[in-house]
Amino acid sequence: AQKITQTQPGMFVQEKEAVTLDCTYDTSDQSYGLFWYKQPSSGEMIFLIYQGSYDEQNATEGRYSLNFQKARKSANLVISASQLGDSAMYFCAMRAVMEYGNKLVFGAGTILRVKS
Amino acid sequence: DVKVTQSSRYLVKRTGEKVFLECVQDMDHENMFWYRQDPGLGLRLIYFSYDVKMKEKGDIPEGYSVSREKKERFSLILESASTNQTSMYLCASSDIAGGYTDTQYFGPGTRLTVL
Repeated sequence: AQKITQTQPGMFVQEKEAVTLDCTYDTSDQSYGLFWYKQPSSGEMIFLIYQGSYDEQNATEGRYSLNFQKARKSANLVISASQLGDSAMYFCAMRAVMEYGNKLVFGAGTILRVKS
Repeated sequence: DVKVTQSSRYLVKRTGEKVFLECVQDMDHENMFWYRQDPGLGLRLIYFSYDVKMKEKGDIPEGYSVSREKKERFSLILESASTNQTSMYLCASSDIAGGYTDTQYFGPGTRLTVL
């Protein structure tokens, strides 16, 4: 079974600095996908970035990049030039195959607070 | 733009009541999901629907049922609400597997309190 571990319950970062949110995963599948979502206080889950297990390059989307280290089974999210609006809960998730489709298995989340 | 809506942002019910949570998506997605979010546990899948009238149990289906009569609408039903079902409920939708990411898109969530 797939498992996602996020070991940082909470993080602080100074505005304009970079921050890394940790994520490790466990799976026996050869092909898999990893996702990061952001959840502001409003509650909606916002998709940030995706990394496929066979992608040769680390995924990037604007200020977000995914530091994918397959041998270490880690998929850390890096946010560059933090902004106050980045304060939110961040979830790492992995695609898991069901009988008729795919679900997401989530970690417990990391709360990020950006300080001015 | 991708849009998933949920009927209520906040809901307060009494123990034993029947509760309906509604979710609508306008992206013509095949798949729809109901997750429950609890502190320290992340999101856990309750039920998944891959087509009209078709469903598959998730990780925590006990105490819940679902209904999908139309492609765009997916309902979560608590037949007899209990206090341990107090939680945040999130609906999501995605295209069929085979796309590059089959990314799931989420609604704003319903915070349910059962007294």
